[in-house]
Amino acid sequence: DSGVTQTPKHLITATGQRVTLRCSPRSGDLSVYWYQQSLDQGLQFLIQYYNGEERAKGNILERFSAQQFPDLHSELNLSSLELGDSALYFCASSVGYQETQYFGPGTRLLVL
Amino acid sequence: GQSLEQPSEVTAVEGAIVQINCTYQTSGFYGLSWYQQHDGGAPTFLSYNALDGLEETGRFSSFLSRSDSYGYLLLQELQMKDSASYFCAVSLNNAGNMLTFGGGTRLMVKP
Repeated sequence: DSGVTQTPKHLITATGQRVTLRCSPRSGDLSVYWYQQSLDQGLQFLIQYYNGEERAKGNILERFSAQQFPDLHSELNLSSLELGDSALYFCASSVGYQETQYFGPGTRLLVL
Repeated sequence: GQSLEQPSEVTAVEGAIVQINCTYQTSGFYGLSWYQQHDGGAPTFLSYNALDGLEETGRFSSFLSRSDSYGYLLLQELQMKDSASYFCAVSLNNAGNMLTFGGGTRLMVKP
């Protein structure tokens, strides 16, 4: 157990819908990262927050957005969902922004 | 952009030693990490190299050569539970700490 928690574990929804994924980092970690893992794209970095501020952005679609709250938990919002958004979404956390990242158990999203 | 190459599959027998290579092309290289992922599970951190040389953690060791843009993960005394996918990932010397992952190497350990 990495200490990173993610909810929900599984999510099934329809195309065009909007969902919110939640992540709580390890105690004391200030950085939160979001990654998407799909069969065809592998593990891809989406976005990083450090102490509430956006720190780095990857190949995150405009339909996706995220934020980190004062209590350091983070939410990833996915809207206008498409079939191709079906994937595993992982959150990771680290103490600062050059330290080891520890991954949560992931949210498996299925868009039908 | 960044690219990482690692073999897609490796097979070995229980008790053996296996080496998983990773070559990378990137600018602003900061460090190379290795993660293990069992089917349906989360990536689990194994090892990290920022400087040239060997890092040893129990049965696992990782090596980095910055001049060759090359690293490897060495797994000794293989056990059945080591059957998993192994990813190398680079982190860059920039404002953030995003990891760029390789495609993963699926290791099958046979009795």
